[in-house]
Amino acid sequence: DTGVSQDPRHKITKRGQNVTFRCDPISEHNRLYWYRQTLGQGPEFLTYFQNEAQLEKSRLLSDRFSAERPKGSFSTLEIQRTEQGDSAMYLCASSPQGARADTQYFGPGTRLTVL
Amino acid sequence: AQTVTQSQPEMSVQEAETVTLSCTYDTSESDYYLFWYKQPPSRQMILVIRQEAYKQQNATENRFSVNFQKAAKSFSLKISDSQLGDAAMYFCAYRSANRGSTLGRLYFGRGTQLTVWP
Repeated sequence: DTGVSQDPRHKITKRGQNVTFRCDPISEHNRLYWYRQTLGQGPEFLTYFQNEAQLEKSRLLSDRFSAERPKGSFSTLEIQRTEQGDSAMYLCASSPQGARADTQYFGPGTRLTVL
Repeated sequence: AQTVTQSQPEMSVQEAETVTLSCTYDTSESDYYLFWYKQPPSRQMILVIRQEAYKQQNATENRFSVNFQKAAKSFSLKISDSQLGDAAMYFCAYRSANRGSTLGRLYFGRGTQLTVWP
């Protein structure tokens, strides 16, 4: 396994711009999660996919946020009309099927700075 | 919603010594999983140890072990023979084992920053 990868690792944008992040889960992991982490806090859940189906969304995921996983492999998280409050680390995680389906493996994250 | 509390924002330990990080959680569920994750300065979250709530036996992974007290809703992490590479932010996390709308998400505490002194 090559691990969960995320791209880009860092993104600086101006307020009002749209940004898109990509997550590639561990191969054959059918579950994929997005979290947001701000300084001094633990990660907070945003959304969850099982294969291509988005099964759960947090109230944190406002209308400006959208996530997709079109073919059940990689996922994208888009933030429209970014605000300074969106500045955070966006973490992606994946988990396998079967006995260890409860265990999530995290990527390195994308750090977003909104100026 | 489940809550996870880590009451120690910072801890420090001398190299080769033992340190215990505390975690408590609040849930009405009987079946769940608990985790400790480590997040070094590079920010990659790494799984340290996993505990299944229905198992009485405390999980161990090499120098890392837990003290799981289900009735007290306590899940502490003990690091033995601490090494410089153990320095990181440690997060305690909870995951429901029940099927339902919240299946999948992890609930994290705010973390404990561990410093290891040489």
